[in-house]
Amino acid sequence: GENVEQHPSTLSVQEGDSAVIKCTYSDSASNYFPWYKQELGKRPQLIIDIRSNVGEKKDQRIAVTLNKTAKHFSLHITETQPEDSAVYFCAASSSSGYSTLTFGKGTMLLVSP
Amino acid sequence: EAGVAQSPRYKIIEKRQSVAFWCNPISGHATLYWYQQILGQGPKLLIQFQNNGVVDDSQLPKDRFSAERLKGVDSTLKIQPAKLEDSAVYLCASSLAPRLVDTQYFGPGTRLTVL
Repeated sequence: GENVEQHPSTLSVQEGDSAVIKCTYSDSASNYFPWYKQELGKRPQLIIDIRSNVGEKKDQRIAVTLNKTAKHFSLHITETQPEDSAVYFCAASSSSGYSTLTFGKGTMLLVSP
Repeated sequence: EAGVAQSPRYKIIEKRQSVAFWCNPISGHATLYWYQQILGQGPKLLIQFQNNGVVDDSQLPKDRFSAERLKGVDSTLKIQPAKLEDSAVYLCASSLAPRLVDTQYFGPGTRLTVL
């Protein structure tokens, strides 16, 4: 089955800095890669996703890049703000055809004012 | 649009007791998922339904966990008997259809503590 590794497990930055979170996956047939943000005690919420036919996608301060050859993808947050503090999870779809997601273990991002 | 609903939000039980969780997906969503999220980890899929049929339950501990979605809408997840290691947040999610690119929307979760 699919295996997703996520690094780092914790990331501390100053407000205004950029943050980068990296994930690798094992199943070369995976073709959908969402990122979820989970604030303390709340539900995971989709913040951005990318499909295998695209190398990069941006949405305001958030961008995701995908390297299918190397089987890794990354989340980039620019101009970080304290409200960006949360746990971020990457995920990859399996090749089962039923939108089954395998999640990474998460990165706790702390943005200090 | 109403989101995914779950109840209860919190549950505390003793080991060997039974517990059940309920989920109502977003209206019209054919696919429903149950995840287990242990503290400090990402969600792990337990079972996935397409309408009222199971399409993936490979990670469901079937000796103690069961789930059903009889009418293809809401779903229940049951643990009987519970063990200490079942302490976790149980998340329900739904998506419109089982295509690979469908967004999964999560409910608020049920936090289970087994003493």
